[in-house]
Amino acid sequence: QVQLQESGPGLVKPSQTLSLTCTVSGGSISSGDYYWSWIRQPPGKGLEWIGYIYYSGSTDYNPSLKSRVTISVDTSKKQFSLKLSSVTAADTAVYYCARVGYTTMVYFDYWGQGTLVTVSS
Amino acid sequence: DIQMTQSPSSLSAFVGDRVTITCRASQTISSYLNWYQQKPGKAPKLLIFAASSLQSGVPSRFSGSGSGTDFTLTISSLQPEDFATYYCQQSYSTPYTFGQGTKLEIK
Repeated sequence: QVQLQESGPGLVKPSQTLSLTCTVSGGSISSGDYYWSWIRQPPGKGLEWIGYIYYSGSTDYNPSLKSRVTISVDTSKKQFSLKLSSVTAADTAVYYCARVGYTTMVYFDYWGQGTLVTVSS
Repeated sequence: DIQMTQSPSSLSAFVGDRVTITCRASQTISSYLNWYQQKPGKAPKLLIFAASSLQSGVPSRFSGSGSGTDFTLTISSLQPEDFATYYCQQSYSTPYTFGQGTKLEIK
């Protein structure tokens, strides 16, 4: 059973960089059938896709966040990471990491439990 | 970006009822449509992928249909554990986008 677990600071100051890591267990992060994604959800609101990464390092980002986002992967540690720069209160959200099934169809089939990141001074 | 619009935004129903939630895409997305269930404080859970394929382990009372721009999620006989928020999501093109959600409540 694949499991994903987010980790990182729960409080970030405005203008600083949010950094989160997702650790994958129970499966290979280097499987060619999957991408690895970050998704966020502001309190009481809907879901927003941030971006994804392939084990080779290729990425795709949401254009609304592209100038501030970097997603990286460390296959030796079975981890992928999110960095979001110049944060504001609007970036306060629960951040989820998820596995992206990417064969004939594309879907988020396994999710981490989520971690709340609050942007506040 | 492809906009996803769900209706209704909220819905009240009784245990045992048949319920249908609709999702409309702003442009054709073929069958690249997924449905998720989210309970308070929990991560979303994949129910249906590719418009009509039931994810492993999901009860058969859940079904999905549609293609192109119009899609539906049907719960054939509501159970107490089905009261949650449901989201559709298109995976036709990035940026992947979600509907605003449909909150299903007990009547």
